[in-house]
Amino acid sequence: DADVTQTPRNRITKTGKRIMLECSQTKGHDRMYWYRQDPGLGLRLIYYSFDVKDINKGEISDGYSVSRQAQAKFSLSLESAIPNQTALYFCATSDPYWGTSATDTQYFGPGTRLTVL
Amino acid sequence: QKEVEQNSGPLSVPEGAIASLNCTYSDRGSQSFFWYRQYSGKSPELIMFIYSNGDKEDGRFTAQLNKASQYVSLLIRDSQPSDSATYLCAVNKFSGGYNKLIFGAGTRLAVHP
Repeated sequence: DADVTQTPRNRITKTGKRIMLECSQTKGHDRMYWYRQDPGLGLRLIYYSFDVKDINKGEISDGYSVSRQAQAKFSLSLESAIPNQTALYFCATSDPYWGTSATDTQYFGPGTRLTVL
Repeated sequence: QKEVEQNSGPLSVPEGAIASLNCTYSDRGSQSFFWYRQYSGKSPELIMFIYSNGDKEDGRFTAQLNKASQYVSLLIRDSQPSDSATYLCAVNKFSGGYNKLIFGAGTRLAVHP
């Protein structure tokens, strides 16, 4: 089984709908992240969580919210989807190497392709 | 100026050649540097990371870091068609009390037989 799973893998929705993307991990990592990827723009951080009680905005959090239900689960919600939120969304997890933040390898889930019409 | 810059490519190399992928970054405080490979429509996979100046080798891959020049590169020896993918450079940034990864937009590599 994959260490980081995302559901759904593909979703088509309409403008104004509320959408939730879910991420689960079995790696035992405390840190979890949500990114979106758009052609030519690379990966951009939406939200990140360093433990269940610690959630922080990334560079593009407007229009999104998150919930960390447990160490292993981190959900991303689009409260009212709009077409420019059409993108590939990735969840990632990490565990600091050697107990420091200096080397913090991130492992990615398979992604969710979201289309907002 | 982007925090992490990569040439978008495509970089085209013949099979068996050395592919050289480059990345520059703006934050002099960055300590860790990562290379990910991403096949079209798939998730990024970690190739290797480096945090000390110099070279780090792992199989056919060599990462090179020069902090003075704020430059990190990835060399792929004996390139294979299966290496054709987008290669993402990522650099850690300490901001707001937290350490985060900043990704470049990626370089597309095409290895032709």
